[in-house]
Amino acid sequence: EDQVTQSPEALRLQEGESSSLNCSYTVSGLRGLFWYRQDPGKGPEFLFTLYSAGEEKEKERLKATLTKKESFLHITAPKPEDSATYLCAVFTGGSYIPTFGRGTSLIVHP
Amino acid sequence: DAGITQSPRHKVTETGTPVTLRCHQTENHRYMYWYRQDPGHGLRLIHYSYGVKDTDKGEVSDGYSVSRSKTEDFLLTLESATSSQTSVYFCAISEPGQGSTGELFFGEGSRLTVL
Repeated sequence: EDQVTQSPEALRLQEGESSSLNCSYTVSGLRGLFWYRQDPGKGPEFLFTLYSAGEEKEKERLKATLTKKESFLHITAPKPEDSATYLCAVFTGGSYIPTFGRGTSLIVHP
Repeated sequence: DAGITQSPRHKVTETGTPVTLRCHQTENHRYMYWYRQDPGHGLRLIHYSYGVKDTDKGEVSDGYSVSRSKTEDFLLTLESATSSQTSVYFCAISEPGQGSTGELFFGEGSRLTVL
């Protein structure tokens, strides 16, 4: 059974304090790993897809990386508007049904 | 933004009443999904569809049924709502293949309260 674990559950940062969120997974035949951002009262918003170990993707202050066991979402010099819940999900084999982690709630204080 | 509309956005109902949530898409995507999101559980798949009249169960399908008679519409029905079905429901769409691994795009959610 595919498993996705995100850590920490919650993270509080000061504005400008860089950090990383972790998504570890146990799956057979990873086809892709997704990162999403979810604001309160909204649906998840797609950020990145990573396909293979060593791949990196960037968007503004966010950088996602992938190894064979985990993915990191690095947040550089965060701003209060980066506050949100970040979800990761993995996609395996022939199924188009991703398995989601429970998310990391990020709060960035000004 | 992906063209996904959920209705109603908010609903309060009583135990034992039937409820239908609607998801409408304008993207012509083949796959449509219904998730529920609860504190401590994250997103859990209820049902999904991979084409008109083609549906399958997810991990938390008990008490729910779905129908898809047109590509653009996916209905979620609670035949007899219970308090445990109080939740936020999200519809999502995807189009695997054609250069995509099938990332999902989500609607804004429907908040259901069962009293």
